[in-house]
Amino acid sequence: GAGVSQSPSNKVTEKGKDVELRCDPISGHTALYWYRQSLGQGLEFLIYFQGNSAPDKSGLPSDRFSAERTGGSVSTLTIQRTQQEDSAVYLCASSFGYLYEQYFGPGTRLTVT
Amino acid sequence: GENVEQHPSTLSVQEGDSAVIKCTYSDSASNYFPWYKQELGKGPQLIIDIRSNVGEKKDQRIAVTLNKTAKHFSLHITETQPEDSAVYFCAASKGPGTYKYIFGTGTRLKVLA
Repeated sequence: GAGVSQSPSNKVTEKGKDVELRCDPISGHTALYWYRQSLGQGLEFLIYFQGNSAPDKSGLPSDRFSAERTGGSVSTLTIQRTQQEDSAVYLCASSFGYLYEQYFGPGTRLTVT
Repeated sequence: GENVEQHPSTLSVQEGDSAVIKCTYSDSASNYFPWYKQELGKGPQLIIDIRSNVGEKKDQRIAVTLNKTAKHFSLHITETQPEDSAVYFCAASKGPGTYKYIFGTGTRLKVLA
């Protein structure tokens, strides 16, 4: 079946502009995660949504970062007033629930010039 | 804070030889340890995982071992093939679909034909 999809696949933006990154999880998956992968680094947790519970935002690096998940499905990660250090690959993952592994999307490569 | 260290950062082996990647975690409450393979331009894909109630798990040419006392776990790939070339990430978590994964920094494996 269809996996996790993300759009756009690549985004180039100027410093100071806002960007929105989209994630479509696997249908029926209740949990959704955002991670950031900087060059040569591991994956850094950003935010976690589980069903209708309040999201865990403990990994968001600053108040310029926010995320929403509408209707328990699609999620949008928004970065306001982008900085060059925001350049990275942003990965989304989803899982069926607490007993099941996370499936990752292909990521969005963000470049801030 | 929670941390996962992964070694080596790069590994080159001859086709047919074995490859071993090692990880150490800091949070003793971790009980789930997945390994992901990431090919160029793609999101990470789960290749094998282990839970804290077992010491070893095998799946064809891939095996993972866990030493809870030492907080070490390792990935072993036997009879390596060129298609095994990729970046491998270990992670530690308090559950498979629960909460965040803490990832290692990755190992770039090159299998030389």
